[in-house]
Amino acid sequence: AQSVAQPEDQVNVAEGNPLTVKCTYSVSGNPYLFWYVQYPNRGLQFLLKYITGDNLVKGSYGFEAEFNKSQTSFHLKKPSALVSDSALYFCAVRGLPGRGSARQLTFGSGTQLTVLP
Amino acid sequence: DTGVSQNPRHKITKRGQNVTFRCDPISEHNRLYWYRQTLGQGPEFLTYFQNEAQLEKSRLLSDRFSAERPKGSFSTLEIQRTEQGDSAMYLCASSLAAGADTDTQYFGPGTRLTVL
Repeated sequence: AQSVAQPEDQVNVAEGNPLTVKCTYSVSGNPYLFWYVQYPNRGLQFLLKYITGDNLVKGSYGFEAEFNKSQTSFHLKKPSALVSDSALYFCAVRGLPGRGSARQLTFGSGTQLTVLP
Repeated sequence: DTGVSQNPRHKITKRGQNVTFRCDPISEHNRLYWYRQTLGQGPEFLTYFQNEAQLEKSRLLSDRFSAERPKGSFSTLEIQRTEQGDSAMYLCASSLAAGADTDTQYFGPGTRLTVL
């Protein structure tokens, strides 16, 4: 079975400071890892993904994430936070199809990011 | 707008009634997924279609739930004899079956169901 842990329900950061939202995962085989953002009463917006290749992945709106296989982590980062980054962030994982994990994403419980002006 | 669309956006119903939601995926996306999200939780997978074939169903999808994608385009999710525990946001996502972006699921705005 695959699973995702987001250890922090809430992250607060001052505008202009760097931000990190943590994610660890468990999956059979090589992971496919994703970050999504959700604004109030909206669906999920795709930010970035790691499939293979460079461990540092760059995505939308200046976000990036670092894949660390030994620590089974995929933390989301941004060098300088904006007030408009305040939202709910979800990490998700899936394994390779046909290895018991099919194509569905398994999501963490989410981290509420608040960027303070 | 060429994104995933869902209708209705909000549905309020009484316990015991049937409800049906519709999802229109991004055109040319062969794969379509339904998820359910309750307050304070991440989305949970319900079911997945490739074209018109329903290939995966979660244990969350009880007998009261049925999903169809008759022509491989839009999909419907029906809940029969709704219960208060069915109150949630129902999210639809779609993805390509081939190509560089095959693994990325794009989500619609969701349908929020409230069962009184």
